[in-house]
Amino acid sequence: KNEVEQSPQNLTAQEGEFITINCSYSVGISALHWLQQHPGGGIVSLFMLSSGKKKHGRLIATINIQEKHSSLHITASHPRDSAVYICAVRSDRETSGSRLTFGEGTQLTVNP
Amino acid sequence: DAGVTQSPTHLIKTRGQQVTLRCSPKSGHDTVSWYQQALGQGPQFIFQYYEEEERQRGNFPDRFSGHQFPNYSSELNVNALLLGDSALYLCASSARAGARNTEAFFGQGTRLTVV
Repeated sequence: KNEVEQSPQNLTAQEGEFITINCSYSVGISALHWLQQHPGGGIVSLFMLSSGKKKHGRLIATINIQEKHSSLHITASHPRDSAVYICAVRSDRETSGSRLTFGEGTQLTVNP
Repeated sequence: DAGVTQSPTHLIKTRGQQVTLRCSPKSGHDTVSWYQQALGQGPQFIFQYYEEEERQRGNFPDRFSGHQFPNYSSELNVNALLLGDSALYLCASSARAGARNTEAFFGQGTRLTVV
């Protein structure tokens, strides 16, 4: 079992829909990242969370440390949101340093 | 302020050859991590460099080696290339290795194809 599990693997939505992507992890963490990857490869950091909730524009990220679960929400989705969304965690073990462990990613397609 | 830059963007090599990929970290960052991302999968940690030394290493063979220079830029070297080494190689930079809440910034990646 992977240390970081995402669901769903693939998600297709109509423009305007509210979208939720989930991430569960099995290790103690010091931080959780939500990342966006467009075709061609480059990764953009959307959020870094260690507790609570963060909002940036139409994107909202939440984390529940006790349940080891995080969600990424996109409100009023748009075709330009189509990308792979990846959850990554930083372990709280001292020996892990700042390395990240990634989920497999969620491929989001938003149709006009 | 330039972010993380990687070169080259694309590369085609033959089995058995050697390759060197390069990364310049974001200004103010001193730690560089390298990740391998196979098609359809999440990135996997290769190793991390700080103060010109390899500080952590993932589950990759010794064919994968690296270097960090005094200006914090880094190289990833892969020897005796295999077809399975074909992947997107991502570089991430951050400040202060070991710091628990440092944010990582990623480059655009180098797409390596081994034929």
